[in-house]
Amino acid sequence: GIQVEQSPPDLILQEGANSTLRCNFSDSVNNLQWFHQNPWGQLINLFYIPSGTKQNGRLSATTVATERYSLLYISSSQTTDSGVYFCAVDAPYGGSQGNLIFGKGTKLSVKP
Amino acid sequence: DAGITQSPRHKVTETGTPVTLRCHQTENHRYMYWYRQDPGHGLRLIHYSYGVKDTDKGEVSDGYSVSRSKTEDFLLTLESATSSQTSVYFCAIREGLAYTEAFFGQGTRLTVV
Repeated sequence: GIQVEQSPPDLILQEGANSTLRCNFSDSVNNLQWFHQNPWGQLINLFYIPSGTKQNGRLSATTVATERYSLLYISSSQTTDSGVYFCAVDAPYGGSQGNLIFGKGTKLSVKP
Repeated sequence: DAGITQSPRHKVTETGTPVTLRCHQTENHRYMYWYRQDPGHGLRLIHYSYGVKDTDKGEVSDGYSVSRSKTEDFLLTLESATSSQTSVYFCAIREGLAYTEAFFGQGTRLTVV
């Protein structure tokens, strides 16, 4: 099945620093999403980005579908950015309809 | 925010008892999903529904059943809870398949003692 790999697994930043999180996937996909799981466990949608670039405030994301990777940029990090960041892609055709395959996540800790 | 509500948010139950978790949506989305999240395993699909009364198994369906009698409600039942089913359970919804976002509920933390 499709493999989703995220790097780095852990990241510690000082408040105000910038970071780049990476998501590689092993097959072509028609859906890619980035989520933030906050310290309370809630999964928050960040981006729906099967291709191209999107920006939302201090966060932006780029997916290069032909090269099978996506990047999440966090600029001027804040302590509230702490948590785990997941990327997820659609399971391939023939699998469970609309099932998302998740990477293992990047755990981000932003220190004040 | 997508209108998804899971209940209960927390539950402690004894081994061998049946447990039902509820997912309620106000978005009228066709597809609904139940996932479990465990350390080292990430999120894994338990069951999903592609319409009223239409459900199918996911990756880790043993010991679970589901029902969807109305568009807005998707119930997950642990027929006889075991300690291995201690987990955080998430419900998700999607309007369609390709080129649509999935939205997740707040999660239910279930502990089986």
